[in-house]
Amino acid sequence: AAGVIQSPRHLIKEKRETATLKCYPIPRHDTVYWYQQGPGQDPQFLISFYEKMQSDKGSIPDRFSAQQFSDYHSELNMSSLELGDSALYFCASRGRGGASGEKLFFGSGTQLSVL
Amino acid sequence: SQQGEEDPQALSIQEGENATMNCSYKTSINNLQWYRQNSGRGLVHLILIRSNEREKHSGRLRVTLDTSKKSSSLLITASRAADTASYFCATESGGGADGLTFGKGTHLIIQP
Repeated sequence: AAGVIQSPRHLIKEKRETATLKCYPIPRHDTVYWYQQGPGQDPQFLISFYEKMQSDKGSIPDRFSAQQFSDYHSELNMSSLELGDSALYFCASRGRGGASGEKLFFGSGTQLSVL
Repeated sequence: SQQGEEDPQALSIQEGENATMNCSYKTSINNLQWYRQNSGRGLVHLILIRSNEREKHSGRLRVTLDTSKKSSSLLITASRAADTASYFCATESGGGADGLTFGKGTHLIIQP
């Protein structure tokens, strides 16, 4: 069965550079979530999209932006990268309009290292 | 603010023993879910319990929910080395688009 696909798997950037992370949800899933997980930390909710519209915003820095496209894939754009942005970034998707009570399916994540 | 707090933060047991992990949360919830994460990998859904349920079973997993105490526990019976992973509880309070709020996780080590 198709899963959530994230690319790239690993990304190395320098301070003040920009990065774009991509997420392809499970087919027919219309809700996408982005999470950030620092080393040894719990996943922190960044932002979510439903039907290509932003649904909710968590602890996403102003330097980050995201969008969901017509094919439901999503991209997380990160600018002016800081050392503290080094983390594992997960995308998750959910079907049925992101209905409460349904489980989330997570991708394998993008490991971002900022040097 | 942190919603779920997990206890213990780390747990090491012998293969075959039972492992119990606890989770506490602060606000009212629609449901509570448990996820498993192998090192550096994505999270995998294990089990979901709704706010009107008190106990749920799935294979070797048993989860309980006490909404009066705002707490949940995950029991893994007859543990195996392959159960070594981090386990997170996650709560859902609002509409589905709000996503889940994760606790800090318990790192479980099963010694062969």
